[in-house]
Amino acid sequence: EAGVTQSPTHLIKTRGQQATLRCSPISGHTSVYWYQQALGLGLQFLLWYDEGEERNRGNFPPRFSGRQFPNYSSELNVNALELEDSALYLCASRMESPSTDTQYFGPGTRLTVL
Amino acid sequence: DQQVKQNSPSLSVQEGRISILNCDYTNSMFDYFLWYKKYPAEGPTFLISISSIKDKNEDGRFTVFLNKSAKHLSLHIVPSQPGDSAVYFCAASESNYQLIWGAGTKLIIKP
Repeated sequence: EAGVTQSPTHLIKTRGQQATLRCSPISGHTSVYWYQQALGLGLQFLLWYDEGEERNRGNFPPRFSGRQFPNYSSELNVNALELEDSALYLCASRMESPSTDTQYFGPGTRLTVL
Repeated sequence: DQQVKQNSPSLSVQEGRISILNCDYTNSMFDYFLWYKKYPAEGPTFLISISSIKDKNEDGRFTVFLNKSAKHLSLHIVPSQPGDSAVYFCAASESNYQLIWGAGTKLIIKP
């Protein structure tokens, strides 16, 4: 069974540009979560999508946005990039089930803002 | 306000010995707890979980202990191996499918 996939692996942008990151969940998983891990810091929750809808968002400015498509894949968009947006962006998926909260992570996208 | 705390940023353990990673939480409504392992530049990997109806769960070399009265959980790794060197995150949820994460503990296994 294929795991969570993310693209691109690396992304280099300059300040003020926009970045689009993509995530494909494990087959059968309907929830997608986005996290930011800046250098030396823990996982910071960004966004949670389920069944195409945004369920919750973390304490990030509105220039961080995303969406989930009918096939449950997801995009994270970061507008007006700032230097401090440089981080590893992780996507995780979860199966819709009352018996598990386990999230499974992709390898991440390393975003560098110059 | 951090609801899940891992107070040790790093831990160094001799190969073959027991590694004990600790996690404290403040929300008594948390009912599911998980441990993840993360290598640099990779996504976290699920290790082991425990629900609040249990106080212990074991999977091979990994055992998670939950003390609800103390709002404390711990991950024991026995015996510790060089490949266990990584950052370990604990996470908790309140049956709403959103995980609250600790800041992580970097485990270093010395040969």
